[in-house]
Amino acid sequence: EAQVTQNPRYLITVTGKKLTVTCSQNMNHEYMSWYRQDPGLGLRQIYYSMNVEVTDKGDVPEGYKVSRKEKRNFPLILESPSPNQTSLYFCASSLQLNTGELFFGEGSRLTVL
Amino acid sequence: LAKTTQPISMDSYEGQEVNITCSHNNIATNDYITWYQQFPSQGPRFIIQGYKTKVKNEVASLFIPADRKSSTLSLPRVSLSDTAVYYCLVVWVGLTGGGNKLTFGTGTQLKVEL
Repeated sequence: EAQVTQNPRYLITVTGKKLTVTCSQNMNHEYMSWYRQDPGLGLRQIYYSMNVEVTDKGDVPEGYKVSRKEKRNFPLILESPSPNQTSLYFCASSLQLNTGELFFGEGSRLTVL
Repeated sequence: LAKTTQPISMDSYEGQEVNITCSHNNIATNDYITWYQQFPSQGPRFIIQGYKTKVKNEVASLFIPADRKSSTLSLPRVSLSDTAVYYCLVVWVGLTGGGNKLTFGTGTQLKVEL
């Protein structure tokens, strides 16, 4: 089954404790991206990757890192999480970006205390 | 980069047709318009995409005028299960290096009642 898988789905952590949210897709998509969703703000792009070893900042990259060592994986790294990073995070992938057909994961709800 | 603009919310009743309009004044020549549906605590789901004129599938229709500065998602005969947030997405081709930022609107909360 074609899918985008995120882990963990739910996480409660404390300020400053490094964490990684994994994202994996099995559709051989070149494009992958991370979004955060907050009430009243819609979906905001954090980082995106056009292909292996190619990443770029989205609209809200501060406090986040990503890597793309393999085509299928695109982990989101919070080196020193802060409470303002409490949010719902979505990973997405796409084969043909120009048509905007993104496949989203189920989301990871992160709470930073 | 111009943002997309949608109504914050809309209400409808079962069986009615719903039209949600998105404004994207600075759309570029090679950009596509895509609409997504999102239920609470789920990832957005692709509904329909288009470049110009009219596109139709089994779920919805998409109307894009000649100037492409707006688009309208049309949902025929909505039901309670269509209650969701609907996002308009314009794919902006990157200015340098072929990068692509994807800008979502803030979404339209559609509420369908009996």
